[in-house]
Amino acid sequence: DIVMTQTPPSSPVTLGQPASISCRSSQSLVHSDGTTYLSWLQQRPGQPPRLLISEISKRFSGVPDRFSGSGAGTDFTLKISRVEAEDVGVYYCMQATDFPWTFGQGTRVEIK
Amino acid sequence: EVQLLESGGALVQPGGSLRLSCSVSGFTFSSYTMNWVRQASGKGLEWVSTISDRSTNTHYADSVKGRFTISRDDSENILYLHMNSLRVEDAAIYYCSTRIRDHFDYWGQGTLVTVSS
Repeated sequence: DIVMTQTPPSSPVTLGQPASISCRSSQSLVHSDGTTYLSWLQQRPGQPPRLLISEISKRFSGVPDRFSGSGAGTDFTLKISRVEAEDVGVYYCMQATDFPWTFGQGTRVEIK
Repeated sequence: EVQLLESGGALVQPGGSLRLSCSVSGFTFSSYTMNWVRQASGKGLEWVSTISDRSTNTHYADSVKGRFTISRDDSENILYLHMNSLRVEDAAIYYCSTRIRDHFDYWGQGTLVTVSS
């Protein structure tokens, strides 16, 4: 199974400041079709998860452009350029390159 | 507007069975892969199962393989998860999710399964 490891587990951030979350996979996420199926999801308190970014860097419909994804192979990053109050929650990376699909353990973003 | 509504969650004893449903609208259900993902209380997300369009392929997490069955009724726009031999560790909120354009692009609100004697 592909293990997804996120750091840090928790990220206290000042409003308006940037935040960055790292995700590392135990093996390459490049699919045989050439696509890297690495996504980022946000889960606000009491809410279901919401897709933010797919295929490393494609922002989903309606996602603000302060969210961006980057990386390749086994190392990936989610960046929030200027954290807003509504960004509080847990962020998960996940891979859909190889079954079983797996999620990172989550990174909690909170306001200082 | 894409909408997913899970139902069927309940309190069940260990060893019992349950069928979860996910009713969908706002897209051509029969054309897309569907998923179940669960989340135990205070824990992270765990992929459970996936079914392709036309039910051609199904996949399961090892933790549920042989006990859970995913299925779909394309005439009724409903996704199912049949759960047998339930264990305490199966207790979770169960979410259905789509792959319309991207993996896990739309989610329902979830349905709660409690397994306890």
